[in-house]
Amino acid sequence: EDQVTQSPEALRLQEGESSSLNCSYTVSGLRGLFWYRQDPGKGPEFLFTLYSAGEEKEKERLKATLTKKESFLHITAPKPEDSATYLCAVQVQRSNTGKLIFGQGTTLQVKP
Amino acid sequence: KAGVTQTPRYLIKTRGQQVTLSCSPISGHRSVSWYQQTPGQGLQFLFEYFSETQRNKGNFPGRFSGRQFSNSRSEMNVSTLELGDSALYLCASSLDQAAQYFGPGTRLTVL
Repeated sequence: EDQVTQSPEALRLQEGESSSLNCSYTVSGLRGLFWYRQDPGKGPEFLFTLYSAGEEKEKERLKATLTKKESFLHITAPKPEDSATYLCAVQVQRSNTGKLIFGQGTTLQVKP
Repeated sequence: KAGVTQTPRYLIKTRGQQVTLSCSPISGHRSVSWYQQTPGQGLQFLFEYFSETQRNKGNFPGRFSGRQFSNSRSEMNVSTLELGDSALYLCASSLDQAAQYFGPGTRLTVL
């Protein structure tokens, strides 16, 4: 069964304290891995797509990396406005569909 | 470019009623997917439409249905509402299996 697991469930950081969020996946064939940010009461906001092991993408203080079994979202020197829930999702290769399978998310709180 | 829009943003219904939610995708996007988000189950896939055809369906009862129109706008319908249907319903559009862009969601409360 295709599965996505994110850890930790919750993370508290001090402003400027760098850390990483983990997304491990078990799928029959990966077409793409997606990272989203979700603020309370809002829809997920697209951040990155990664397609193959070794690929990296960066945006401001965020950097996403991909291996054959997991992805990391590195947050460098976070600010309070980075506080949100970060969601990881995968698309499976075997069928003609854009269906996303989501992890449960990591809720990040950055304190000033 | 305007983002994905969903209407209404909030709905309160009672058990047994039915509800229709609407989604307008980003201009040029022909793929529309629907997801249900609850605190316990997270984001779960409901169905996907592409060029007016349902391409995939998640593991939800037949009370959940949807359709897509020729202008790519989509609707989903839930009949005979149950308390457990209370959730945030999210619509996402994409350029066919590429990154999906989500709308703000419709918050459905079933009393």
